[in-house]
Parts: sequence; structure tokens; C-alpha cells
Amino acid sequence: DADVTQTPRNRITKTGKRIMLECSQTKGHDRMYWYRQDPGLGLRLIYYSFDVKDINKGEISDGYSVSRQAQAKFSLSLESAIPNQTALYFCATSDPRDHTDTQYFGPGTRLTVL
Amino acid sequence: DQQVKQNSPSLSVQEGRISILNCDYTNSMFDYFLWYKKYPAEGPTFLISISSIKDKNEDGRFTVFLNKSAKHLSLHIVPSQPGDSAVYFCAASEGTSGSRLTFGEGTQLTVNP
Repeated sequence: DADVTQTPRNRITKTGKRIMLECSQTKGHDRMYWYRQDPGLGLRLIYYSFDVKDINKGEISDGYSVSRQAQAKFSLSLESAIPNQTALYFCATSDPRDHTDTQYFGPGTRLTVL
Repeated sequence: DQQVKQNSPSLSVQEGRISILNCDYTNSMFDYFLWYKKYPAEGPTFLISISSIKDKNEDGRFTVFLNKSAKHLSLHIVPSQPGDSAVYFCAASEGTSGSRLTFGEGTQLTVNP
């Protein structure tokens, strides 16, 4: 069983639609992250949460919002999707007791906005 | 501005030879560096890391070297195997930033049998 799961794995939507990507983890980690990957740009941080009551913007948060429903769940929303949000989205978790900053990633969601 | 750069989008080596992947950074506040490996249709997985107080860390076939004065790190894979074919991401963090990682663009490694 995967420790970090993401749903859906693939999604095609139209411009202007609201989309939610979900992430669940069974690792018991307090910290959770959302990244997007674009060709030639690597992974860029969208939002991160260090616990249920803590939400922080990353380097590219415009056009996105998040919700930390529980320690194990962290959702990413695109309020009104646009084509340049077409990308591969990854959720990750980490344990603050681990001083090596190791993050554990989910399998990703491929989002296409037409 | 790209604070972590991997200037080689791709690298091809023969099985059994050494693979050397390079990474440069510009932020002097980075004090922890990591390499992640990514197969198609999977998320990145942690491979090896190094603290800024060290210049080398080894784990089996994988060794990471850090040159702080040059703001450069490299990942050596010896010997390379076909199963090592993947995209490799270099990442860095500042000690006080609480796990915020800055990633490079990635290098596609292909190991030919």
C-alpha cells in the first residue's frame, strides 16, 4: 500500500472549471506539500502546511488554494483553471523530527486544462 | 531566478561505466542538499543527501560530492546499471526554512546495456 496517495491520477478539464486534487498519507507526518512539475523547470512549490492549522504559500501560489482537512489530508484547488496550469502535480510529506528534510512524494496527478 | 541549476538536460552512459550528474546553486544559505530519482508515472524518491558540513557522502553505488566554494555538487553512480535510467533532481534547503526544498530542472540519465 502506498504511503502517499493522490486522486485523481489523470484529469482533463476545461478553462474556467474548478478542480480539486486530493492527497492522503498514512505516514503520520505533520508536514505536507504541493508541487507542480513542468518540462525544463523541475518541481516548484505551490503551498505547504506544517500542521493542520498552518498553511503557507510557496513560490507559485497564484491561482491555487489549499485545504488541510486533517493531518492525513491536504487538498489543492484550482478555482478557475487556465491552460498554463496544465502540469504534473505532486503531493509530498515530511516529518519535522527528521532533520534531513527528506520528503516523500505521491505518484502525481497529470492535469490537462483545455 | 533559478537558485538550483542542472545544466545538462540529459546524459547517456554505458552500463558499468560511471555516471556523473552535476548541480550548481546560487543561494549561500542552502545548507542541505539532496538528490531525488524519478521514474515515469511515479513520484520522485529520495536517493542520497549531504550536509554543508561535509564534502562527500557515500551510499553503495551512489556518492555525492559538495564543493561549497564553487557552489557545486555532483552525484556519481558507479557502476551504472540500466535500472538507473531515470530523471535525477538536485534539491537544496536552508536549515531554518523548515523543509522547503528548491529543485533543479532535472537530468534524464539513460544507461545503455
